[in-house]
Amino acid sequence: QKEVEQDPGPLSVPEGAIVSLNCTYSNSAFQYFMWYRQYSRKGPELLMYTYSSGNKEDGRFTAQVDKSSKYISLFIRDSQPSDSATYLCAAVTSGTYKYIFGTGTRLKVLA
Amino acid sequence: EAGVTQFPSHSVIEKGQTVTLRCDPISGHDNLYWYRRVMGKEIKFLLHFVKESKQDESGMPNNRFLAERTGGTYSTLKVQPAELEDSGVYFCASSQAGGPRYEQFFGPGTRLTVL
Repeated sequence: QKEVEQDPGPLSVPEGAIVSLNCTYSNSAFQYFMWYRQYSRKGPELLMYTYSSGNKEDGRFTAQVDKSSKYISLFIRDSQPSDSATYLCAAVTSGTYKYIFGTGTRLKVLA
Repeated sequence: EAGVTQFPSHSVIEKGQTVTLRCDPISGHDNLYWYRRVMGKEIKFLLHFVKESKQDESGMPNNRFLAERTGGTYSTLKVQPAELEDSGVYFCASSQAGGPRYEQFFGPGTRLTVL
């Protein structure tokens, strides 16, 4: 079983839609959770990170972690065609630097 | 400020040949990481340097892979001899300090194709 599971998609939504991207994880020791965005032929760039459970909001993006169900979510409000990319969730335990990534979800926002 | 750079962007070699990938981290970043993504799979950690010292190389697949970071600046990852299963995208990342609170900045990756 992979430590971080993510539906690869692709996910297609119309412009302006609310997008929900999700991951599940199996390692209870994970404490930090990240969402990266990766455009084609580019490296991943950090969108948000969350420590432990709770919500974090940054503009149109909201990250949510539910440690009781081992569920990680990223919500994108008012999605734009420029949001079209692959979204990667990652997790790491406290005290290590080894990010554990999901496979990524390809998102396409249609104009 | 320049980001993490990697060279080459794409390399095509034959099985059995040697390839060396290079990573230049963001200036001042002591922590450097190598990751790899094989097609259809997730990005996987290979190893972590702090300055010129290897802190964790638990993700290195086998002894055909050799990473170095002489002088604590740029790093190289050599694959010798290359096998078909080594094909994938190799990412380098760097961070100012260690630990999950310090963002790892990723380079654009080197796409390696072994024929």
